[in-house]
Amino acid sequence: DAKTTQPPSMDCAEGRAANLPCNHSTISGNEYVYWYRQIHSQGPQYIIHGLKNNETNEMASLIITEDRKSSTLILPHATLRDTAVYYCIVRVAPGNTGKLIFGQGTTLQVKP
Amino acid sequence: GAVVSQHPSRVICKSGTSVKIECRSLDFQATTMFWYRQFPKQSLMLMATSNEGSKATYEQGVEKDKFLINHASLTLSTLTVTSAHPEDSSFYICSAPHNEQFFGPGTRLTVL
Repeated sequence: DAKTTQPPSMDCAEGRAANLPCNHSTISGNEYVYWYRQIHSQGPQYIIHGLKNNETNEMASLIITEDRKSSTLILPHATLRDTAVYYCIVRVAPGNTGKLIFGQGTTLQVKP
Repeated sequence: GAVVSQHPSRVICKSGTSVKIECRSLDFQATTMFWYRQFPKQSLMLMATSNEGSKATYEQGVEKDKFLINHASLTLSTLTVTSAHPEDSSFYICSAPHNEQFFGPGTRLTVL
């Protein structure tokens, strides 16, 4: 699986959009970009994933650059409950039962 | 979404004793489950892959005789920390794939 690079920490004001970047310059054509988050002392939670098109669900939006070498997770209206560590992971197709390898992630602090 | 549970959520034990942690997929079957360990302020580290009906696959550096894994059924995997020592104190998390990876809430082990 391709390696990802994320900033170690970010701050965001409550109610504003949180934009979390991820670099994955060695991504392969069959690899998807996944985002998970981990709220303190809980198990990680799936957020969203995508291959090359932008994706949106009830939690977030995922913007993937045309060359697929980077992506941005957008939380449109961050709340205090969105304070967590966000992990960007690149791996092969959905439904794959393979393991997930976590990097260091980005600690997002949402401030009132 | 699919639900993965862990039991117990928290356990304190004396050095030298063994501790068993259960991971259950509540509403789906999982032939594969994963066990992770997380130390304070660090990312999740994959320990092993639990396989129903066959031996677990351990990541490099993880002692298979110390961390016993049994995938007893399609909905249950157990991790037993044998002869636990204070350095085994950690947050243990399991996951199971069901289209995406679903994670348990974690078990906090404290070895005195």
